[in-house]
Amino acid sequence: LAKTTQPISMDSYEGQEVNITCSHNNIATNDYITWYQQFPSQGPRFIIQGYKTKVTNEVASLFIPADRKSSTLSLPRVSLSDTAVYYCLVAWEVTGGGNKLTFGTGTQLKVEL
Amino acid sequence: DAGITQSPRHKVTETGTPVTLRCHQTENHRYMYWYRQDPGHGLRLIHYSYGVKDTDKGEVSDGYSVSRSKTEDFLLTLESATSSQTSVYFCAIRSAGSGANVLTFGAGSRLTVL
Repeated sequence: LAKTTQPISMDSYEGQEVNITCSHNNIATNDYITWYQQFPSQGPRFIIQGYKTKVTNEVASLFIPADRKSSTLSLPRVSLSDTAVYYCLVAWEVTGGGNKLTFGTGTQLKVEL
Repeated sequence: DAGITQSPRHKVTETGTPVTLRCHQTENHRYMYWYRQDPGHGLRLIHYSYGVKDTDKGEVSDGYSVSRSKTEDFLLTLESATSSQTSVYFCAIRSAGSGANVLTFGAGSRLTVL
């Protein structure tokens, strides 16, 4: 059973870089690591996805080491609006054509002035 | 949101009554998922479907059943609701092919069991 571990919470200030790490020792060989952001009373929203090394988009960067047993979401210069819960998602590969997509516990990021 | 709707959005019911939540998509995606979200537990997978009439259990499937008789609809049923099933339920659809675990979530259904 794939398990992920994230810090429960993090605090930061506006303009700082925030790095959130997720541990996933049993990730499936062919599957990607995906990160989501969730605001209160809303469903999670896709942020970024990667398989290995570094991926960057307009919102964040994702760093994945060669062994893929962890990943780090990096948010550059956070603002108050980045206050949210962040989840990493790994796949739990099963036979029969399906993938059980299991979320980590999430990290509550609080950004202050 | 991206062709996925949940109904009802809010429901209050009594212990022991049956409840069905509906997830409808217009994207023709193969994979659909039901999660529940409770304070301190994050998102937990209840059931998922990988095609019409193809479903499987997730982490917290006890007390829930699902059905998928057509691609666009994925129903979650609580046969006899209990107070422990008070939660926010999210449906999600999965885009693209193997390795691309990009989920699009519905707006959620808030269920209160008295």
